[in-house]
Amino acid sequence: QKEVEQNSGPLSVPEGAIASLNCTYSDRVSQSFFWYRQYSGKSPELIMSIYSNGDKEDGRFTAQLNKASQYVSLLIRDSQPSDSATYLCAVNPIQGAQKLVFGQGTRLTINP
Amino acid sequence: DVKVTQSSRYLVKRTGEKVFLECVQDMDHENMFWYRQDPGLGLRLIYFSYDVKMKEKGDIPEGYSVSREKKERFSLILESASTNQTSMYLCASSFNRDRYTDTQYFGPGTRLTVL
Repeated sequence: QKEVEQNSGPLSVPEGAIASLNCTYSDRVSQSFFWYRQYSGKSPELIMSIYSNGDKEDGRFTAQLNKASQYVSLLIRDSQPSDSATYLCAVNPIQGAQKLVFGQGTRLTINP
Repeated sequence: DVKVTQSSRYLVKRTGEKVFLECVQDMDHENMFWYRQDPGLGLRLIYFSYDVKMKEKGDIPEGYSVSREKKERFSLILESASTNQTSMYLCASSFNRDRYTDTQYFGPGTRLTVL
């Protein structure tokens, strides 16, 4: 079982709708969770970080963390064509460790 | 703003050449990382460093070495480039915190082609 799993997509969502991206992780002691956005040919850029159970909102983005079920999700409200990208989920698997484990990424396409 | 820069955006080398990829960060971060990214394989960690002159192997260190002589600079070295090292190389840096790992900030990437 991969440590961090994402559906590779492509996920196609109409403009203005809510895009929902999911990520599951295998290590129960994981403490830190990150969502990165990566446009084609570019490097990953941080969208959200979340450390506690529940929701964290930043503009059109909401990260949701459920440690009991070992999943983290990213919701994008009012999706725009500029949100079309690959979204990477990253997890810190061991408390105090400095490495992140990345999922394969979900390719999201927003259709005008 | 955190800034991570890489020495080249595109690089073309021949098989057997020694290749240096350099990364510089300006935020006094303790941790620095080198990844490669290939279609279908995602981001794979090659090496990382949590302090000057310290290094640890990542998931795929074979064929690579690293150097960190100064806190702000982390170099990836391909001793003898091979065609299977053609890839996008990404450098990242982060603070070193006691409880949680901090956000990693990425450089723009170097697309290396080995002929």
